[in-house]
Amino acid sequence: EIVLTQSLGTLSLSPGERATLSCRASQSVGSSYFAWYQQKPGQAPRLLIYGASSRATGIPDRFSGSGSGTDFTLTISRLEPEDFAVYYCQQYGSSPITFGQGTRLEIK
Amino acid sequence: EVQLVESGGGLVQPGRSLRLSCAASGFTFDDYAMHWVRRAPGKGLEWVSGISWNSGTIGYADSVKGRFTISRDNVKNSLYLQMHSLRAEDTALYYCAKAVLYGTSSYFDYWGQGTLVTVSS
Repeated sequence: EIVLTQSLGTLSLSPGERATLSCRASQSVGSSYFAWYQQKPGQAPRLLIYGASSRATGIPDRFSGSGSGTDFTLTISRLEPEDFAVYYCQQYGSSPITFGQGTRLEIK
Repeated sequence: EVQLVESGGGLVQPGRSLRLSCAASGFTFDDYAMHWVRRAPGKGLEWVSGISWNSGTIGYADSVKGRFTISRDNVKNSLYLQMHSLRAEDTALYYCAKAVLYGTSSYFDYWGQGTLVTVSS
C-alpha cells in the first residue's frame, strides 16, 4: 500500500498570501494518478485537482497542482477567505486507493 | 444535478451488523464505478470499498475485508454497504462517492454528505 504523508498538519496564513501544500508518497505514483480535495466542516469533500495537475470543473485558476513520482504539491496562489479548509491528497495509481491525513489551512 | 444521498447509519453495538445505502440521481448510474470512503472522528479520509459499473470488479480495504460487502442495484440506482462484525474503529462518517475511472481505482468527482455510523456498547 502506498502511504501518503502530508508533512504539515496545520498551515496558518493570511488572505492574499500564497499557500503551498505538499504530499509525499512512499512509492512512486504511476502515471501521475494523483488528486487533491478540499473539505470544509459539515461538507462533503470537493475535487480540486486530478491527474496531478488538471483542475476539476469549476475550480478557480488560483488552485494549481504539480509533481510526479513521489512528491506532489497543491498551490493556492492568493488565498481567499473561502479557501480556509482541510486539504487531502489521494493516489489512485495503485490499489488500494490511499489518502493523506490532511492539512488544515487556517487563518492567521 | 448529481446527487448522492446516503442512509442507514446509526448507533450499533460491537459485533452487530448494519447496512448502508446510497441513492444516486442526476447521472447514468450504471456507467460508473462507485465507492465508499469513511472519515473517523479526528482523522483523515480512508477508502473502504469500490465496485465497478457491472459489479464485475470489487475491492476492499484490508481493514474491512471479510466483514464488509459492497453491492449495487443498477435498476434502483443504488449502492450498498453491508457491514458485519462491527468494531469501535469502524465508527466514522461514511461517504458514497462517484468514480471517474473504471474499475476500483479512481478519483471521485461527486460525494454524498455522509451517514454516521457509531459502534459503541
